[in-house]
Amino acid sequence: EDKVVQSPLSLVVHEGDTVTLNCSYEVTNFRSLLWYKQEKKAPTFLFMLTSSGIEKKSGRLSSILDKKELFSILNITATQTGDSAIYLCAVARDSWGKFQFGAGTQVVVTP
Amino acid sequence: GAVVSQHPSWVICKSGTSVKIECRSLDFQATTMFWYRQFPKQSLMLMATSNEGSKATYEQGVEKDKFLINHASLTLSTLTVTSAHPEDSSFYICSATFFGPSTDTQYFGPGTRLTVL
Repeated sequence: EDKVVQSPLSLVVHEGDTVTLNCSYEVTNFRSLLWYKQEKKAPTFLFMLTSSGIEKKSGRLSSILDKKELFSILNITATQTGDSAIYLCAVARDSWGKFQFGAGTQVVVTP
Repeated sequence: GAVVSQHPSWVICKSGTSVKIECRSLDFQATTMFWYRQFPKQSLMLMATSNEGSKATYEQGVEKDKFLINHASLTLSTLTVTSAHPEDSSFYICSATFFGPSTDTQYFGPGTRLTVL
């Protein structure tokens, strides 16, 4: 059975801290892994990863995929209160963008 | 960038009535759209894959007669919750795959919050 597991389920950090979120997966016909940020409404796209070992970076956020060990991490450096959200990891299982989501990691950044 | 819209953004209905939710890809054509449901404090659960011009493909455990999906054009998919009951109250989100020149990704609509009284 395909599964996507995120850890931790939640964490609380102070502004300025660095957080590392984990996503491990076991899926057939892996195509890509995506990270999303969800605040009050629908998820917003952060990164898509298809190749191992190539870091993707956007501002204070970065992510990398390990296709051998079947996991990805999302790093947020110098966290701000606006980073508080649920971060979702999703794995695309075929060419049509059919995704399986992890349960998400709730991040709370306190001032 | 690619944008997906949903309408309505929220709806309240009486038990037993039907509710239609629209999902549109605004500046790209989407042969395939996806419908998800999200309960409070839970992740997104894929309900069905909506295919333009053909029948939708439903995930295991999703009643196709209750959740009717129509994908009549390359930019519009609709989800109709028939004979809605309180347990159908949820956040419904659609998404569409954007096939770009060098990469492709999935964009989500803003979601529709359904409350069945």
